[in-house]
Amino acid sequence: QVQLVESGGGVVQPGRSLRLSCAASGFPFSTYAMNWVRQAPGRGLEWVAVISYDGKNKYYADSVKGRFTISKDNSASMLYLQMNSLRGEDTALYYCARGDYYNGRGSYELHGFDMWGQGTTVTVSS
Amino acid sequence: DIQMTQSPSSLSASVGDRVTITCRASQVLTNYLAWYQQQPGKVPKLLIYAGSTLQSGVPSRFSGSGSGTVFTLTISSLQPEDVATYYCQGYYSAPFTFGPGTKVDI
Repeated sequence: QVQLVESGGGVVQPGRSLRLSCAASGFPFSTYAMNWVRQAPGRGLEWVAVISYDGKNKYYADSVKGRFTISKDNSASMLYLQMNSLRGEDTALYYCARGDYYNGRGSYELHGFDMWGQGTTVTVSS
Repeated sequence: DIQMTQSPSSLSASVGDRVTITCRASQVLTNYLAWYQQQPGKVPKLLIYAGSTLQSGVPSRFSGSGSGTVFTLTISSLQPEDVATYYCQGYYSAPFTFGPGTKVDI
C-alpha cells in the first residue's frame, strides 16, 4: 500500500523540542526527495523543509531555519523533522509530502508534491 | 525568494459554471507550477503539475495553463465536490512557496 504516515505530534511548551516521524511504504523511498509542509489552524499551506533523495541536500523556510532539522533514513523508509526552540507560531498540522523523483541516471522528475500523509498536530502552548 | 499571489481569494459559483483562478509568481517559474485542491477537513491533493499536466485520476474538467509568471486553473463545469480551497505552488527550487489559496464555494 502506497502511503505516508506521520506521527510524533503533541502538546509542547514554548522553547521545548519535538521530533516528528513519517513512515513511507509502497514506493522506492530512497529515490524521492521528501518535504514537510504545515498548516496552522484556519490558515493556508506553508512549506517547511525539503531533503534530497540521498539526504545530502536540505533546505528550510526562513521561519524555521536554525531551529528545525530534516533527516531521512532510506534503509528504514523514514523521514524525520527535529523541531527545537518551539514557538507558538509553530502550532500547526504537519504533513510529510513526496517530492522530486531521482531516476538514478543523473536526472530528476519534477512533478510537485504528489503524495501526502494525513498529518500530525503540533500544539505549542504553556 | 519567489512570492506567489492568487486571485480571487474566494469565489462563489453555481453548479455547471466555468471557474478560473489566477496565480502570479514574482519571478519566472518556467512551467514548474503545481495546483492543489484541499477539500474541507481533508489532505491536500495534487491536481496539476508542470503548469498544465493533469495528475493521474484527476477529472478532466480541471485544466491548467500559463507560463513564465502567470498561470491559471480552470474548472470547466463546477461540481458540488469541487468545493475546496485551491493553492498554487512554484516547485523548481526551494523555497517551494504556496500561494495564499482561493476558496471556492457553491
